[in-house]
Amino acid sequence: DAGITQSPRHKVTETGTPVTLRCHQTENHRYMYWYRQDPGHGLRLIHYSYGVKDTDKGEVSDGYSVSRSKTEDFLLTLESATSSQTSVYFCAISDVGIYGYTFGSGTRLTVV
Amino acid sequence: AQKVTQAQTEISVVEKEDVTLDCVYETRDTTYYLFWYKQPPSGELVFLIRRNSFDEQNEISGRYSWNFQKSTSSFNFTITASQVVDSAVYFCALSEISSGSARQLTFGSGTQLTVLP
Repeated sequence: DAGITQSPRHKVTETGTPVTLRCHQTENHRYMYWYRQDPGHGLRLIHYSYGVKDTDKGEVSDGYSVSRSKTEDFLLTLESATSSQTSVYFCAISDVGIYGYTFGSGTRLTVV
Repeated sequence: AQKVTQAQTEISVVEKEDVTLDCVYETRDTTYYLFWYKQPPSGELVFLIRRNSFDEQNEISGRYSWNFQKSTSSFNFTITASQVVDSAVYFCALSEISSGSARQLTFGSGTQLTVLP
């Protein structure tokens, strides 16, 4: 009954290549978020969206861009992947009146 | 700016021991929510509890209990009679409400709990 799915679940890519991660929701929630998880840092916000075509930067946005052309999809793009972007990426959703997130299962990205 | 500190990086206990995970937060808002999430070895993030800043009552759910103290800006989590299945990374998180932001959660760095048989 997953209302939020991330794809791919795992990806290995080479330094300098572009990578796009997809987050898809079926809950019609307004807010969507991308976080990265790294040892010792917990989860850090990369970008978030508060509606279609409305996005903003989070704490660690350098090297990342996002797009949200439909309510259900939030794409995270690494224009030119670097080894420092090796991480686990989580997408999350929330909505008006909901204080808390539903998380996706995560995408493990390795940049070699 | 909001900040969450989990000073305990790793904790190891023997099964059936009680264990408390500490969480200290910083915020300038008077209205906020605090959360605990569990991340088992499988990697998913599991919601455990949400507490708003106006409710300082402690909460108990089975073997889990939470102690929220605004005076010390702490939201500690206790597991009673720990079990091996409690082994996981536990995250504390904060969401400011009155700041007008899109409900961003700020996470602590997490505490790795290992329960030994």
